[in-house]
Amino acid sequence: DQQVKQNSPSLSVQEGRISILNCDYTNSMFDYFLWYKKYPAEGPTFLISISSIKDKNEDGRFTVFLNKSAKHLSLHIVPSQPGDSAVYFCAASGSDSWGKLQFGAGTQVVVTP
Amino acid sequence: EPEVTQTPSHQVTQMGQEVILRCVPISNHLYFYWYRQILGQKVEFLVSFYNNEISEKSEIFDDQFSVERPDGSNFTLKIRSTKLEDSAMYFCASKSGTSGSTSTDTQYFGPGTRLTVL
Repeated sequence: DQQVKQNSPSLSVQEGRISILNCDYTNSMFDYFLWYKKYPAEGPTFLISISSIKDKNEDGRFTVFLNKSAKHLSLHIVPSQPGDSAVYFCAASGSDSWGKLQFGAGTQVVVTP
Repeated sequence: EPEVTQTPSHQVTQMGQEVILRCVPISNHLYFYWYRQILGQKVEFLVSFYNNEISEKSEIFDDQFSVERPDGSNFTLKIRSTKLEDSAMYFCASKSGTSGSTSTDTQYFGPGTRLTVL
């Protein structure tokens, strides 16, 4: 049941450059999308979210873009910093559930000096 | 800043034993969740809890699992008879529910409990 897909298992980026993480979904009932960051042996930490009524949300270095027609969202991190090295999860919930989050498989980001 | 807490951080048990995982959600949050992540796999939804009852559960959440909110602060997950395949990280999450929509509002996660079944 892969309703949320992150097709890139890993991403390597230089410090100061832009990191772009992608996520695709199949369930048209999804109306809220979130990005979480996770370090090993820790819980997911919330980064940024977007409602389906918007196509962009920005918070500091993080911007999430939503393309509903393509069922695609992306997370931009500018500029990337070494502390951004972690696994990033895309998650989605729908109006047909009680907030149940469906997670992607995650993308391991490594920011190199 | 308020946060979700979970205890214990690591639980080792023998197959067939009962375990209780404990969580203290963020106070004034109304929705509570359990998720798990088996090593190398996705984070999977187990159950959601609202207004003192289960609102939704996954196929994983069978009769061996139960949840309880015994008082105003704790939220527990019980596994009655653990199996080897229950070994995973278990995450508790909560959200405020103030948006008026069941799907929106941000879920905040605890640090997790690593359950090892031998």
